[in-house]
Amino acid sequence: GENVEQHPSTLSVQEGDSAVIKCTYSDSASNYFPWYKQELGKRPQLIIDIRSNVGEKKDQRIAVTLNKTAKHFSLHITETQPEDSAVYFCAAAGYTGGFKTIFGAGTRLFVKA
Amino acid sequence: DTGVSQDPRHKITKRGQNVTFRCDPISEHNRLYWYRQTLGQGPEFLTYFQNEAQLEKSRLLSDRFSAERPKGSFSTLEIQRTEQGDSAMYLCASSFGTSDYEQYFGPGTRLTVT
Repeated sequence: GENVEQHPSTLSVQEGDSAVIKCTYSDSASNYFPWYKQELGKRPQLIIDIRSNVGEKKDQRIAVTLNKTAKHFSLHITETQPEDSAVYFCAAAGYTGGFKTIFGAGTRLFVKA
Repeated sequence: DTGVSQDPRHKITKRGQNVTFRCDPISEHNRLYWYRQTLGQGPEFLTYFQNEAQLEKSRLLSDRFSAERPKGSFSTLEIQRTEQGDSAMYLCASSFGTSDYEQYFGPGTRLTVT
């Protein structure tokens, strides 16, 4: 069945350093890849997304890359700040009669001041 | 508040009881999703509606779970004969149209089955 694997499960970086989170997906029909940030006790919120016809997308300190051939996509956060500390989820979605979205297990990011 | 709302926010029930949750999506959103999230895990897809049609349902969903969206607006998720393993956060999300895929999540309903 469909699966999204996310690594690492925990990531600790010093403030100002970069953080990279990687995901792989199994369903070749997936064509939309969002990333969500979830702070403790709060709802997931979209931070960036990418579609299958694009290889890279950037929004200020956040960038996402996609390799459809390898079924890999990654989140890059530069110049990390303490307020970036949260759990980050990748997801893969595609239209297969519906719009099923499969999430990764999450990466807990700690940014140390 | 014009975001996605869910009711109740918390529900404690005894094993074997039935529970029903409600989700009100953002008003112009035609797509609605239900997810279940347990501690330390990502949201797990349960089902998806486009308007009032339930287009997809997870194979993980047992027959004890049912969802409706009768008029294409709010949705309900019912769990019959609850089990302790059903304890989780139940999240609803909505999105609009066929080109905008961003899902907006509600605050969730936390279910505890004792």
